[in-house]
Amino acid sequence: DTEVTQTPKHLVMGMTNKKSLKCEQHMGHRAMYWYKQKAKKPPELMFVYSYEKLSINESVPSRFSPECPNSSLLNLHLHALQPEDSALYLCASSQGSGGYYEQYFGPGTRLTVT
Amino acid sequence: EDQVTQSPEALRLQEGESSSLNCSYTVSGLRGLFWYRQDPGKGPEFLFTLYSAGEEKEKERLKATLTKKESFLHITAPKPEDSATYLCAVQASGNQFYFGTGTSLTVIP
Repeated sequence: DTEVTQTPKHLVMGMTNKKSLKCEQHMGHRAMYWYKQKAKKPPELMFVYSYEKLSINESVPSRFSPECPNSSLLNLHLHALQPEDSALYLCASSQGSGGYYEQYFGPGTRLTVT
Repeated sequence: EDQVTQSPEALRLQEGESSSLNCSYTVSGLRGLFWYRQDPGKGPEFLFTLYSAGEEKEKERLKATLTKKESFLHITAPKPEDSATYLCAVQASGNQFYFGTGTSLTVIP
């Protein structure tokens, strides 16, 4: 089973709201990722967790706050977002990081900031 | 500077018309090259991993090959359901993972 699940599928939030995106995998993978994807563009890496520790933060604004409660779960906490943050947010996982492992992606959360 | 470039940007094929998509890369210390398929509004679906020049992988109508500077995704006798955006991604030695800009494939019945 190579399934990564993400909730919710769609999210509409105002600029003053606080919300969270959730991601889960049960493949025993030790690396998990958050990506942001705008229309007709490739995914852009935001964060990488390796063995539940944040290993890469691609200069993402502090209004995005990742959390890895355990090896199967990854959250992205959102606060005071801007309309330009509207995008498809993708979670991925891989057996390990920094090497030779393919990443498996979830279906994404379509976020609209009003 | 590390870079991944895909061509063409868009490709329209008649059903059954074989063709190839290109992924050129300049990275320090290639660890792996990955091909993904992405349907609109969905997450990328993993297709292949290639690690070294000369390596080939096949799956149904798709065949991926790798040289020291580029990778090709060959599509043989495509069907309309092969229509999607095909992304290549490269893992470099500095732990960086780079996506190309993708090729949007449309197969016309």
